Amino acid sequence: QQQVKQSPQSLIVQKGGISIINCAYENTAFDYFPWYQQFPGKGPALLIAIRPDVSEKKEGRFTISFNKSAKQFSLHIMDSQPGDSATYFCAARDNNAGNMLTFGGGTRLMVKP
Amino acid sequence: NAGVTQTPKFQVLKTGQSMTLQCAQDMNHEYMSWYRQDPGMGLRLIHYSVGAGITDQGEVPNGYNVSRSTTEDFPLRLLSAAPSQTSVYFCASSRSGRGNQPQHFGDGTRLSIL
Repeated sequence: QQQVKQSPQSLIVQKGGISIINCAYENTAFDYFPWYQQFPGKGPALLIAIRPDVSEKKEGRFTISFNKSAKQFSLHIMDSQPGDSATYFCAARDNNAGNMLTFGGGTRLMVKP
Repeated sequence: NAGVTQTPKFQVLKTGQSMTLQCAQDMNHEYMSWYRQDPGMGLRLIHYSVGAGITDQGEVPNGYNVSRSTTEDFPLRLLSAAPSQTSVYFCASSRSGRGNQPQHFGDGTRLSIL
């Protein structure tokens, strides 16, 4: 079973629009929630991360919103650009299992010019 | 600064063959791990290591073997390749297995088993 569920699987957004990707989890031991960005032919790269003691974290055009009670978190990309076209993965770390990450299924984002 | 280097980039095997996927990092990271990436399933952890001489199983370890004789290298061995092991394999490293250390990924090995 997938412990981190990600939606949508694919997303098309116009340039300048807002891209929103959602993730939900069940394991209450998760204590760190990173987002990774992956371009074709490359490995994932850390984009932004949040801990559950804050409800929002913003870095440039990228914002994570976190709802601990609902066990959900989301990535918002403001003013989306064609260069943001990539696959995005949410992930979660179990504080009882070292640095092991559990990944969501991924969202393929396409930003149209 | 090479970061995490994986070789080969592509490989085709026949069912039953064995092979080793290589991973090397030059950042003196303690923690290294192997993931497989399959469509719609994200990345799933195969094996990981918190330091030289120490390895442990992840979510999907069956059919794979690892060793960590040096800090820099963490090879992944397929003992008897099966079509279900067709996937893209990523190696990652981080400074340690403690705290919120970001993981650095290699560019992957695309493996096809016929």
